[in-house]
Order: sequence, then C-alpha cells, then structure tokens
Amino acid sequence: AQSVTQLGSHVSVSEGALVLLRCNYSSSVPPYLFWYVQYPNQGLQLLLKYTSAATLVKGINGFEAEFKKSETSFHLTKPSAHMSDAAEYFCAVNTGFQKLVFGTGTRLLVSP
Amino acid sequence: EAQVTQNPRYLITVTGKKLTVTCSQNMNHEYMSWYRQDPGLGLRQIYYSMNVEVTDKGDVPEGYKVSRKEKRNFPLILESPSPNQTSLYFCASSPRQANYGYTFGSGTRLTVV
Repeated sequence: AQSVTQLGSHVSVSEGALVLLRCNYSSSVPPYLFWYVQYPNQGLQLLLKYTSAATLVKGINGFEAEFKKSETSFHLTKPSAHMSDAAEYFCAVNTGFQKLVFGTGTRLLVSP
Repeated sequence: EAQVTQNPRYLITVTGKKLTVTCSQNMNHEYMSWYRQDPGLGLRQIYYSMNVEVTDKGDVPEGYKVSRKEKRNFPLILESPSPNQTSLYFCASSPRQANYGYTFGSGTRLTVV
C-alpha cells in the first residue's frame, strides 16, 4: 500500500536560512507526489507536484522538490526562508483512483 | 473563481444531535472526498465519490454518511455525533486525472460536547 513518511513534526529555521522538509514515500507503482501548505485557519493549498515529467519540480513561493527514486524521497526545499513561510506542510502520494494519502505534516517555524 | 465551498466554518453541537456539513464545487470535478485532520495524524480520508451516485468508504468512515445526488454537492452527515468526532474537516475535489491533485475547501471545525 502507498504511504508517506514526513520526518520531523516541527522544523525551525531563521529567516534567510535554507528550508528542508523531508518526505519519503512507499509505492508499488510509479507515484504521483504532492506537497501542500496549510496556513493558520485555512485549507490546504497545492505547492507543487511530481507527475513523472521532470524530477526537479518548481512550485509557488520559491519552493522546489526533487524526486529521487533510488531514495524514495521527495524532499521540499527553499533557499531562503521568509517569515511568511511559517505554516504546516503536508506531503501526499496518489494511490490511484485519485485517492491521496497524506503524511502527518511538518510545522515550519521561522524566527527573525 | 474556481473553488470548493464548505459550510459552516465552525460548529459546536451536542452529542447525538444530527448535523450536516455541506460541500459544493464549481469546477465540474468528478471526484470529491472528505478528510478529517487531527493533530499528529495528518489528514485521513472519510468517504469519497467518483461521480454522481457513486460513493465509497475511506479509511475512517465509522459514524459518517455521505451522498452524491448532484455532481457539484457532496454533504457529510453525522447522524449521531460523538465527542471523538471533534475535528477539523475538509472537503476536496479533483478531476478524473490522477495527477491533478485536489482543490480543498477552507475547512469546518466541529466540536461535539
């Protein structure tokens, strides 16, 4: 069965520092992978997705993620954190028939 | 504007009092789904629908019902709510393509006392 593991329920960075949020997946078929962001009191917004085209995927707000099949990973990065990036981030894998299975989320804290 | 609309945003109710959370999408999406979000557990799927009159259980369906009489609407029904159903609920929709991803509603925070 498809699943997603997000390492670290909380990640703290300073403004301007590199952001790295980790996601590992398990899938018996070539996966579709997604990163979503949730700002306080809001729904989930799609950041980016991997759909088997380019392995390096660029998303909104300067985020990108690299699909590494050998490592079964899809880590999310941003070169320089901004205060407005503080939010909860969810990695998800599509299991087929449009069903998404989500990780448990990583809360990103950005300090001045 | 393309969107998924949920109502209400906040709801406090008492144990056993039937309630319905509405969900409507204006994108003509075939697929709709309900998730609940709990701290430390991420999002878990409750029910989903592949199209009108086609619904099926997700991972945590106990205590919930759904219906899909029209393509745009997918209400979530709690016939006898219990405190363990206190949670944040999200409706989402997607077109048929598996690589599209979901569009989410803004969420409904439900408290059952």
